[in-house]
Amino acid sequence: GAVVSQHPSRVICKSGTSVKIECRSLDFQATTMFWYRQFPKQSLMLMATSNEGSKATYEQGVEKDKFLINHASLTLSTLTVTSAHPEDSSFYICSANGQRAKNIQYFGAGTRLSVL
Amino acid sequence: GESVGLHLPTLSVQEGDNSIINCAYSNSASDYFIWYKQESGKGPQFIIDIRSNMDKRQGQRVTVLLNKTVKHLSLQIAATQPGDSAVYFCAETPWGSSNTGKLIFGQGTTLQVKP
Repeated sequence: GAVVSQHPSRVICKSGTSVKIECRSLDFQATTMFWYRQFPKQSLMLMATSNEGSKATYEQGVEKDKFLINHASLTLSTLTVTSAHPEDSSFYICSANGQRAKNIQYFGAGTRLSVL
Repeated sequence: GESVGLHLPTLSVQEGDNSIINCAYSNSASDYFIWYKQESGKGPQFIIDIRSNMDKRQGQRVTVLLNKTVKHLSLQIAATQPGDSAVYFCAETPWGSSNTGKLIFGQGTTLQVKP
């Protein structure tokens, strides 16, 4: 149980284009979903917290117009990197917590974004 | 500010030995802690958790110890195996975030298991 699927696993795009990453909780309804960014050999940096049907809460320093988050249902959240630039290249990871164990986050496999 | 940090960036152990990974946290009001394992190119995987009203919790081959007096958390892995090689993160629920489930992650320790 508590499986989180993230798609795509890897994406390469041209500078200036937008990229959408999907995060799905497969066997549970996610109370909250989280989006992280991770640079090589560094820790996870929380970008935003999203709840179904409401606007995402962004961490300080994260541009909400740059990283659009939509949480349309209890099992799906999407992150869109708009007008991507090479500095946006990173490993993006989503997580979700369920209703029973709210503090345990279950993670997707991550998306490696490379912007050329 | 709030921070969760690790003492050593890399730990190298011999296969079969026990591993101890340490973590220091700064917020004495934090009431929940989790250890995650992250293999290269993958998302973090839940290992074990502990609440602040406990000092110790055991899982399969893993034990988490919490010392609230010195704000220290450790993960002990018994009979370390090559498959245990990964980066280990401690994470805490910061004060006031128990309803949101928000976690703050430490810097991570790379565990290398030598055959």
